[in-house]
Amino acid sequence: AQKITQTQPGMFVQEKEAVTLDCTYDTSDQSYGLFWYKQPSSGEMIFLIYQGSYDEQNATEGRYSLNFQKARKSANLVISASQLGDSAMYFCAMRELSNQFYFGTGTSLTVIP
Amino acid sequence: DVKVTQSSRYLVKRTGEKVFLECVQDMDHENMFWYRQDPGLGLRLIYFSYDVKMKEKGDIPEGYSVSREKKERFSLILESASTNQTSMYLCASKSGIVRETQYFGPGTRLLVL
Repeated sequence: AQKITQTQPGMFVQEKEAVTLDCTYDTSDQSYGLFWYKQPSSGEMIFLIYQGSYDEQNATEGRYSLNFQKARKSANLVISASQLGDSAMYFCAMRELSNQFYFGTGTSLTVIP
Repeated sequence: DVKVTQSSRYLVKRTGEKVFLECVQDMDHENMFWYRQDPGLGLRLIYFSYDVKMKEKGDIPEGYSVSREKKERFSLILESASTNQTSMYLCASKSGIVRETQYFGPGTRLLVL
């Protein structure tokens, strides 16, 4: 079974609008971490946001927030007020207790002017 | 500033050649990782290491080996390169702090002819 599932291969959003990128995960660990990364066309992986499995509040970092629904095993990324520079691939990842990381297949986001 | 460097950005090799991909981090991180990234498949973990001389298999270790003789350096070895190993290879490192992200190198795009 896939550890991380990103069901949206591609998404479009109008500039200044908000967009939600979906991520579901599968683990039997009680303690785990969830990460989102951005990969622009230049190729570097940029860390965006982290959510720990025991964190009670949803994580926020500037225009990024993570909608964490533990019972549903989902960790969706919300980008508010989209900008042209947000156009990139976005990857959801999970770290298990073993310290192994699992990545999803990514979502390609295009921001339309 | 955090720095992970990889020995080459682009590499062209022939089938059957032995290939070494080097990764160096300057953050005194315990954990280092090798991934390959392919379109539509996301990042897949090949091997990771949590200490000098220690290694753990990831999801796709077949055809690869690794070496970690010094804390700052993690090498990926393709004993006999094959065309299906043409890919982007990403190295990452991470401290022992649970909440901290991995830091990625710029990647090596390997073409095996």
